[in-house]
Amino acid sequence: EPEVTQTPSHQVTQMGQEVILRCVPISNHLYFYWYRQILGQKVEFLVSFYNNEISEKSEIFDDQFSVERPDGSNFTLKIRSTKLEDSAMYFCASSGLWASGGSTDTQYFGPGTRLTVL
Amino acid sequence: DQQVKQNSPSLSVQEGRISILNCDYTNSMFDYFLWYKKYPAEGPTFLISISSIKDKNEDGRFTVFLNKSAKHLSLHIVPSQPGDSAVYFCAARWGTGGFKTIFGAGTRLFVKA
Repeated sequence: EPEVTQTPSHQVTQMGQEVILRCVPISNHLYFYWYRQILGQKVEFLVSFYNNEISEKSEIFDDQFSVERPDGSNFTLKIRSTKLEDSAMYFCASSGLWASGGSTDTQYFGPGTRLTVL
Repeated sequence: DQQVKQNSPSLSVQEGRISILNCDYTNSMFDYFLWYKKYPAEGPTFLISISSIKDKNEDGRFTVFLNKSAKHLSLHIVPSQPGDSAVYFCAARWGTGGFKTIFGAGTRLFVKA
């Protein structure tokens, strides 16, 4: 079964450094998302991406964050200058049409990248 | 953001019995509801969903009920199995295509053998 993959599984960085989290969505999906989950808290929406542009973003997704689909398979989340409070699990998800036919509404999540900011 | 609420942080059920997980929402614009299951150190896994035009959707042991007038939905698992032990997230969204999904805080289900 197709799945969303994310790299790295764990990223440790110093405060103020830039990080790039990578995701490979399910092939043929059209919509891409980033979520985060701070330890012990709920999963929070960050941004959705469709047709090479942001379709919606939350108040969390400020100027320090950016997303990009640099090629036909990868989807990245960049944090320009990390803060301690950016420490969280970051989940990538994708949804949309796929070759076998499926729901356009269900988002499929990757395993997450644990970001630790020191 | 309290638009989706799961008021029970945990639930313990005996194997073979029914598990009922509840969820309330406040936004009348939501038109699609989902349940996700999450194991530690993994991403949420889609379980079952329901459109707002329906009041029930069933998939094997999992059934989701929607009461729009009460803005309430529930997930029934029958019979419960030890492998069902996980955190269950209720989620809701509106519109079509790439729009954000609002998650509840989750309910940790323990199924005892």
